[in-house]
Amino acid sequence: GDSVTQMEGPVTLSEEAFLTINCTYTATGYPSLFWYVQYPGEGLQLLLKATKADDKGSNKGFEATYRKETTSFHLEKGSVQVSDSAVYFCALSDKGQGAQKLVFGQGTRLTINP
Amino acid sequence: DAGVTQSPTHLIKTRGQQVTLRCSPKSGHDTVSWYQQALGQGPQFIFQYYEEEERQRGNFPDRFSGHQFPNYSSELNVNALLLGDSALYLCASSPRSGRSNEQFFGPGTRLTVL
Repeated sequence: GDSVTQMEGPVTLSEEAFLTINCTYTATGYPSLFWYVQYPGEGLQLLLKATKADDKGSNKGFEATYRKETTSFHLEKGSVQVSDSAVYFCALSDKGQGAQKLVFGQGTRLTINP
Repeated sequence: DAGVTQSPTHLIKTRGQQVTLRCSPKSGHDTVSWYQQALGQGPQFIFQYYEEEERQRGNFPDRFSGHQFPNYSSELNVNALLLGDSALYLCASSPRSGRSNEQFFGPGTRLTVL
């Protein structure tokens, strides 16, 4: 079945450092890809998404590009802030009528030190 | 505009008991999905409800059941609780129509089984 693999955490960086969180997927067909963020004590928030190959999703300085050839959707940010500390989840879903089930990676905990 | 709401926030049960969790979707949304998030893991899809019927189901036993009401709110029921059912239960809502496949998550209900 479909699956998502994320780089192991936790990841600790200093403020203003460059961030990359790797994500690769296995799926039949061409799924939609997502990055969700979970702040302490809260539910998941959609950070960005891409629905087809070579699409780039971006939001709040974060970017990820849908790479079909490498089945990857790596999350990047040029200069992280303390407020970016959270758990980040990569996810995929099949396309279809309405929202299809999401398949998540195991999550990567990010801590940014001032 | 209220987002997705869930109740209760926390719940403690003992093995063998039954539990009911509740979810109200975001205004304008008619589809509700439930996910189980074990500690340190990514969410796992349980099932999805639309038009008061279960439309998709993940790999969960029949002890997990649900219901959707005419006002689109939903309940998740778990019978014969096991220690392994301890987790954060997340509800997500989405619109069935339209091209967006984004799901909006609630804050979750943390269930502890003793």
